[in-house]
Amino acid sequence: QVQLLESGPGLVKPSQTLSLTCTVSGGSVSSGGLYWSWIRQHPEKGLEWVGYIYYSGSTFYNPSLKSRATISRDTSKNQFSLNLRSVTAADTAVYYCARYFSSGFDYWGRGTLVTVSS
Amino acid sequence: QSVLTQPPSVSAAPGQKVTISCSGSSSNIGENYVWWYQQLPGAAPKVVIYDNNKRPSGIPDRFSGSKSGTSATLVIIGLQTDDEADYYCGTWESRLSAGGVFGGGTKLTV
Repeated sequence: QVQLLESGPGLVKPSQTLSLTCTVSGGSVSSGGLYWSWIRQHPEKGLEWVGYIYYSGSTFYNPSLKSRATISRDTSKNQFSLNLRSVTAADTAVYYCARYFSSGFDYWGRGTLVTVSS
Repeated sequence: QSVLTQPPSVSAAPGQKVTISCSGSSSNIGENYVWWYQQLPGAAPKVVIYDNNKRPSGIPDRFSGSKSGTSATLVIIGLQTDDEADYYCGTWESRLSAGGVFGGGTKLTV
């Protein structure tokens, strides 16, 4: 059974960088054909796809983030990470990591709330 | 503003049937599979339908999905109180520089 667990600071100051890590167990971030994604949910709002890192290491991001996001991975730790630069209050959300397989997101982490505030 | 359009809320009595619609375009639903996610309060989304109409193991056959053209539908029959949740449709956007897209979510009240 694949499990994902997000970790990182719950509070980030405006203009700083939000950094989160997702630790994967029961599967490998290097396994062929898989995309490891970040999805966020603003308070009382719907889901927004942030981006993904492919098993090969290539990345792809939601254009609405205006190049502020970077997703990377550490295959030795079986983790992938999100850095979101120059955050504002609008980036306050629950951030989920998830696995994209074939055509949808089949495994999700429990999510972590990140609040942007001074 | 979500790429896919869902009704904000639906309601029905226990034992009844409910239908949740999801409308998109030729570049998302029209070309790709639709997944449906159930989100209970305070929990992560969970897949209830994948590839338009398939149920993961453990999801009761009271849940069914379909797709036609640029729209998809989730149907739940024999409603139970623990079906009360937010439901999201999701798919892939095939246009250049796009990615995963979701509906705005539908709050189901039983």
